[in-house]
Amino acid sequence: GQQLNQSPQSMFIQEGEDVSMNCTSSSIFNTWLWYKQEPGEGPVLLIALYKAGELTSNGRLTAQFGITRKDSFLNISASIPSDVGIYFCAGLRSSGTYKYIFGTGTRLKVLA
Amino acid sequence: EAQVTQNPRYLITVTGKKLTVTCSQNMNHEYMSWYRQDPGLGLRQIYYSMNVEVTDKGDVPEGYKVSRKEKRNFPLILESPSPNQTSLYFCASSFTGSSPLHFGNGTRLTVT
Repeated sequence: GQQLNQSPQSMFIQEGEDVSMNCTSSSIFNTWLWYKQEPGEGPVLLIALYKAGELTSNGRLTAQFGITRKDSFLNISASIPSDVGIYFCAGLRSSGTYKYIFGTGTRLKVLA
Repeated sequence: EAQVTQNPRYLITVTGKKLTVTCSQNMNHEYMSWYRQDPGLGLRQIYYSMNVEVTDKGDVPEGYKVSRKEKRNFPLILESPSPNQTSLYFCASSFTGSSPLHFGNGTRLTVT
C-alpha cells in the first residue's frame, strides 16, 4: 500500500527548541491529520486540516495544509520533555475511497 | 468517556491456534477499521467497515477476517495465525469514512 514520505525519521532536540516535521506525497489529499503516539498507547489526534493553505494551532503545535495539497507540516514550539513520542501524519485522498494513508512517523526525543 | 477499547492488550499464541481480538467503540461511529503497525512500515490497513454488515479489504487482508454485526463492535479474527502476523494491532473508528480516526490502545500479538 502507499505510504507518505515523512521527515525527519527522528530528532533529538534540547528542551525549549522549536521542532519542524513534514509529510509529502505525489498524490493530492483532501484531509491531513497529525497524530502523536506514546509508548504503549494508540495514536492520539493532534490537529485536523481540511483546506489547502489552512493553518491550525493546538497549543504549542501548529500544522499547515500545503497549498499544493500534496504536503503538510507540523511545528512544535518551545519543546518540553512530555513532547517525546512518535508523530504521524495521515492523508485522505480525494479519489473517493475512504482510506487514510499514514506516514512512517517522526520519533522525537527531547533532552532536558 | 468516549473511547475505542481493544482486548486483549497483549497476546502470545502458537501457530495455527485461532484467536479473536475484540474492538468496541462507544461513540456511535459508523466507520471502523483495523491496522497493523510494524517497524519501518507504519500503519497499514487490514480491513474496514463503513457500517453494520458492510466490510471491505484494506491493504493487507490476507490471513485475517472481520465481522460487523453491531455498530459498536468490530472483532478481528485470525483463523490460523502465523509468525508473520506478529505485530502491534490497532482498531480505529470515526463518524464517517472521511472523519478523523480515533484509535484504541493497541494489541501486541506474538505468534510463535
